[in-house]
Parts: sequence; C-alpha cells; structure tokens
Amino acid sequence: LAKTTQPISMDSYEGQEVNITCSHNNIATNDYITWYQQFPSQGPRFIIQGYKTKVTNEVASLFIPADRKSSTLSLPRVSLSDTAVYYCLVGERMGTNAGKSTFGDGTTLTVKP
Amino acid sequence: NAGVTQTPKFQVLKTGQSMTLQCAQDMNHNSMYWYRQDPGMGLRLIYYSASEGTTDKGEVPNGYNVSRLNKREFSLRLESAAPSQTSVYFCASSEGVRQLNIQYFGAGTRLSVL
Repeated sequence: LAKTTQPISMDSYEGQEVNITCSHNNIATNDYITWYQQFPSQGPRFIIQGYKTKVTNEVASLFIPADRKSSTLSLPRVSLSDTAVYYCLVGERMGTNAGKSTFGDGTTLTVKP
Repeated sequence: NAGVTQTPKFQVLKTGQSMTLQCAQDMNHNSMYWYRQDPGMGLRLIYYSASEGTTDKGEVPNGYNVSRLNKREFSLRLESAAPSQTSVYFCASSEGVRQLNIQYFGAGTRLSVL
C-alpha cells in the first residue's frame, strides 16, 4: 500500500486559494488519488479523485504531476465553512484491493475571517 | 435518502462486555468498511467486505469480528471490550468493483469502554 504524507495543519484566510500537497512516493501503476473532507463529529466526505494531470469539479481541483509521486488539492476562495480535516488516499480504483487504502492523519485546515 | 445508517450513536461499556455495532446501507453498494478514529487521529481500517459473502482484515483487526449479513448490512462485534477500544467507529460503503471506489460514510458510533 502506498504511504501518504501530508502537512499536519495549515491556516488560511477567507477568500484565499488553499493548496494542500500530499506525497506518495511509492504509488503503484493501478493506484488512484482520492481526497476526502471531514468536519468534526462527522464521517469523511468525498471531494475529488484523479489519476494524472488535472481534475476539476465544482468544489476543488486536483493537480497530479507526470511522475505521480505527489498531488495537490486546490480549494479556490475558501470560506470559514471549509475549516475541516482533509485526507489524501492512494489506492486501487476497483477490485478486491480497492478497500485497502489508508487514510493517514490528514491535514487540518483552519480558515480565519 | 438515508445512505449509511449506524446504530447506536453512543455506547458506554464496561471492560469485558460485548456488543455489536450495526451498519446498513441503502445504495445497493457491493463493498462495506469499518474504521475506527481515535481523538486527533486519522481513520484506521478494521475490516472490510469487498462483496457480499467476503470479509478481509484491515490495519487493526485484533479484538474485532465482522459479519456481512447480506448486501445491505455489515456488523462489527467486540467480544470482550477493552479501554483501548474507546474510539469513534465509522462504517462506510462503496459501489465496488466497477466504479470509483468512492466511500460514503455513516455518522459514526461513539464508544467508551470504562
């Protein structure tokens, strides 16, 4: 299983763009990169998933360089409600091994007014 | 739109007692998971079930047993609870083999073992 490394915490201000980078040096060919968001006292919620280059949805963008050894979650113009813990997972997209992704300790993002 | 439902929401046990945490999903998902989350930590996978009739160990299976009762339900049993099992337990499900393996989580069960 690919191990992931993220910063423990980050601070930002409302309206700024936030970039959270995740390192996954031993990512395998079949692995995808998935990001989740978790608010206090709730279960994690899916944000975005990608394999290479760039993926964008209505919430965030995910940038993955050609070597795929890292990825960056980009949150445009954050608000106070984006204060949460963000997890990067690396693992297979499908099949019997798909459930073996590990969450790690995540990055606690605090957005200040 | 219930999604993933966990019961109970809170539980206090004495050391040595047993209990079963229940999880049910109504999304017709193939795969289901049990995680624990200790204070200030990430989620650690206890067991998962890739499809009905199969279960597999995750990172921290010791002290737990699971049953995939049918496609909808996946239960987690603590046979003899220990204080080290005080944690928040999350159940999740995902479509499984054909899709993105995006996991949908329940609200959690907060367990204290005294």
